[in-house]
Amino acid sequence: DTAVSQTPKYLVTQMGNDKSIKCEQNLGHDTMYWYKQDSKKFLKIMFSYNNKELIINETVPNRFSPKSPDKAHLNLHINSLELGDSAVYFCASRTTTGNTIYFGEGSWLTVV
Amino acid sequence: GESVGLHLPTLSVQEGDNSIINCAYSNSASDYFIWYKQESGKGPQFIIDIRSNMDKRQGQRVTVLLNKTVKHLSLQIAATQPGDSAVYFCAETRGSYIPTFGRGTSLIVHP
Repeated sequence: DTAVSQTPKYLVTQMGNDKSIKCEQNLGHDTMYWYKQDSKKFLKIMFSYNNKELIINETVPNRFSPKSPDKAHLNLHINSLELGDSAVYFCASRTTTGNTIYFGEGSWLTVV
Repeated sequence: GESVGLHLPTLSVQEGDNSIINCAYSNSASDYFIWYKQESGKGPQFIIDIRSNMDKRQGQRVTVLLNKTVKHLSLQIAATQPGDSAVYFCAETRGSYIPTFGRGTSLIVHP
């Protein structure tokens, strides 16, 4: 009965590869996010999706592309992976009128 | 630009002591503040929140204090337990804007 679930939890891949991280929420929320957490634990917003429409893209390289087939899912595709992409990526969601963000467990991406 | 920051990156306490984690914010328009707890290997979890029209809010063993005059909020944890060891984040937001997170404070509880 996990509220926000993301897969895979761990991903090790080589530079130049293309990979995807999937996210699903069963909370009925209409806004979903992707955050990147660096080695110093800083959480930075990457994307925000509201009712399947991208409303914010925080200057993330276009190698990163969010895709939302429906409002319960927000997947993250990354093309031509670089070493600097190594981080923990968190999916999150909230209601449009609410303030509390619910996070997934994170996906640890290591690019070698 | 506006930012949210924390005074102490690491806080070490003895089990049973009270812990106080501080956070400074700079956006005077922020009207909602949240504390999150992130345990090792997990995602941040909501602990407690407070709106700008309040000065204090209490939960179970946790209290958040908001001082709008100096743009400061704190998280107090009573009778700290080993299970409280984690990274704590404050976040601030205004209306429907995306919350901005501070850098986090690592709380270490020694038995």
